[in-house]
Amino acid sequence: EAGVVQSPRYKIIEKKQPVAFWCNPISGHNTLYWYLQNLGQGPELLIRYENEEAVDDSQLPKDRFSAERLKGVDSTLKIQPAELGDSAVYLCASSLGADRWDEQFFGPGTRLTVL
Amino acid sequence: SQQGEEDPQALSIQEGENATMNCSYKTSINNLQWYRQNSGRGLVHLILIRSNEREKHSGRLRVTLDTSKKSSSLLITASRAADTASYFCATGDTGRRALTFGSGTRLQVQP
Repeated sequence: EAGVVQSPRYKIIEKKQPVAFWCNPISGHNTLYWYLQNLGQGPELLIRYENEEAVDDSQLPKDRFSAERLKGVDSTLKIQPAELGDSAVYLCASSLGADRWDEQFFGPGTRLTVL
Repeated sequence: SQQGEEDPQALSIQEGENATMNCSYKTSINNLQWYRQNSGRGLVHLILIRSNEREKHSGRLRVTLDTSKKSSSLLITASRAADTASYFCATGDTGRRALTFGSGTRLQVQP
């Protein structure tokens, strides 16, 4: 069974540029999460989707960050414009559903460097 | 914001020795989990212990949970060089249905 797929694995951009990250969860997993991991820290939740609905986006900085999961499968996280402080690893995770939220499977992450 | 704090922040041991990492948290939890992260890789789930459990084993891993002290420990016995990684505890919040991670312990196992 394929795991959570993320692309790109690495991205280097200049500040003020836009950037997008893509995630394909494990097949059949209805719940999808985006986490932000700063260097030397644990991941922090940005947004959680149940199917195509964003049910928890309280930690998403909505002035520059946006996310979508249009068909309830793949998801895209976008930053526009990027700032130096956005340099971090962006992790996507999925779980079977709301009742199995505590069993999360993580992708390899996208490492973003903003110059 | 980080819920848990791991202790120590870094640990260096010799192959064959045991490694113990501790995690403290602040609020009531439904469960506590431990994850491993190799450099440049994603998180790998190691073990989950529920709030009504006190101890759990999985292979060379032993996890304890003391809800009265809001703390947990992860013991890795007979460590191997391949155990070198960062280890994170994560607490489960039933209300938010989300995991809150600590800042991690960086374990180095010297061959």
